[in-house]
Amino acid sequence: GAGVSQSPSNKVTEKGKDVELRCDPISGHTALYWYRQSLGQGLEFLIYFQGNSAPDKSGLPSDRFSAERTGGSVSTLTIQRTQQEDSAVYLCASSFPRTGIFAATEAFFGQGTRLTVV
Amino acid sequence: GESVGLHLPTLSVQEGDNSIINCAYSNSASDYFIWYKQESGKGPQFIIDIRSNMDKRQGQRVTVLLNKTVKHLSLQIAATQPGDSAVYFCAEREYGNKLVFGAGTILRVKS
Repeated sequence: GAGVSQSPSNKVTEKGKDVELRCDPISGHTALYWYRQSLGQGLEFLIYFQGNSAPDKSGLPSDRFSAERTGGSVSTLTIQRTQQEDSAVYLCASSFPRTGIFAATEAFFGQGTRLTVV
Repeated sequence: GESVGLHLPTLSVQEGDNSIINCAYSNSASDYFIWYKQESGKGPQFIIDIRSNMDKRQGQRVTVLLNKTVKHLSLQIAATQPGDSAVYFCAEREYGNKLVFGAGTILRVKS
């Protein structure tokens, strides 16, 4: 597709269950980001993938959170043993790689997955 | 990660007036900055960007100003319209390609 695609758009899950959120980036974008946005708040960085480099996982809030990116394209964010505080909108974004200093690498966002843990 | 609770700063402006939204960034080594607009229920949308070797950049009805001395960005919207009502975020590119977002500002346009 032309834009970043995320699925599902909405997910309701029971506390303690595992969930997987999917992101299809824009074709050719080697950089992929996951952010979390709680109601009325800003974007909290979770993880960043760039090509074949080791991902920057510095924003993952706990070891219940993990993400992978297969074949340099589709990414899956997995939350194990979900808790009510995990309820939020999870946003994925992608961009072209940075080719040099000052290079413009605006990130394009998907519509997000709204996760509700009950 | 950063979060600011349920009280994002709010800017209320009259339709037709100019709006100025401010952002303080954290990393003096950041070399690229972006402003995003987020409408309710949607993902953030790109508005305008600026490189750190520039002080000012203009788009259609929007201008971004960068003051590296005090690590401050501003977004100016001319002749604000009801459709401009949204949450506005600035983002800075830190080392590598990592984008870190500011807290956000709610813009409300009164008709």
